[in-house]
Amino acid sequence: EPEVTQTPSHQVTQMGQEVILRCVPISNHLYFYWYRQILGQKVEFLVSFYNNEISEKSEIFDDQFSVERPDGSNFTLKIRSTKLEDSAMYFCASSERRVAGAAGELFFGEGSRLTVL
Amino acid sequence: AQSVTQLGSHVSVSEGALVLLRCNYSSSVPPYLFWYVQYPNQGLQLLLKYTTGATLVKGINGFEAEFKKSETSFHLTKPSAHMSDAAEYFCAVISPGTALIFGKGTTLSVSS
Repeated sequence: EPEVTQTPSHQVTQMGQEVILRCVPISNHLYFYWYRQILGQKVEFLVSFYNNEISEKSEIFDDQFSVERPDGSNFTLKIRSTKLEDSAMYFCASSERRVAGAAGELFFGEGSRLTVL
Repeated sequence: AQSVTQLGSHVSVSEGALVLLRCNYSSSVPPYLFWYVQYPNQGLQLLLKYTTGATLVKGINGFEAEFKKSETSFHLTKPSAHMSDAAEYFCAVISPGTALIFGKGTTLSVSS
């Protein structure tokens, strides 16, 4: 069964360092998403991406964050200068269709746990 | 703006007992509603969804949920809990033009 894969599963970094989280969405999916979950809090939407550009982003997704689809398979989230409060589980997701328009299902990866010291 | 509230961050049941996980939503337009489950060390997996039509929806693993517009609720139930149901459950809502918004999650524990 096709699945979304994320790497690394856990990354520890020093405050101020750049981090890149990688995701390989399901191959025929066109819409890509990043969500995060700070320990003990809700899963929060960060950004959605379609046709090589951001289609929607939340207030959390500030200038420190960026996303990229550098090739036909990977979808990356970059945090330029990490802060302590960026420590969270980051989930990548993909869908065939835009969820809002057609209630297409989001398929999630297992998450990348980021710990900022 | 839409939102989701899950009542109870932790629910404990005995094996064979009824499972009831509560979810209330707030949306200015008819919402689409979802329940996702996260087993330990795994990603989020769709359990079931309500878009239009029948208000009682059935999902995987014997779970079902009923959309009640008058109560703005979408509670998740299962008649008989199994040990393998122990996981974290997330209710989520979406309205046209918005991203999927999750609740804080409810951890379900099942004891023998």
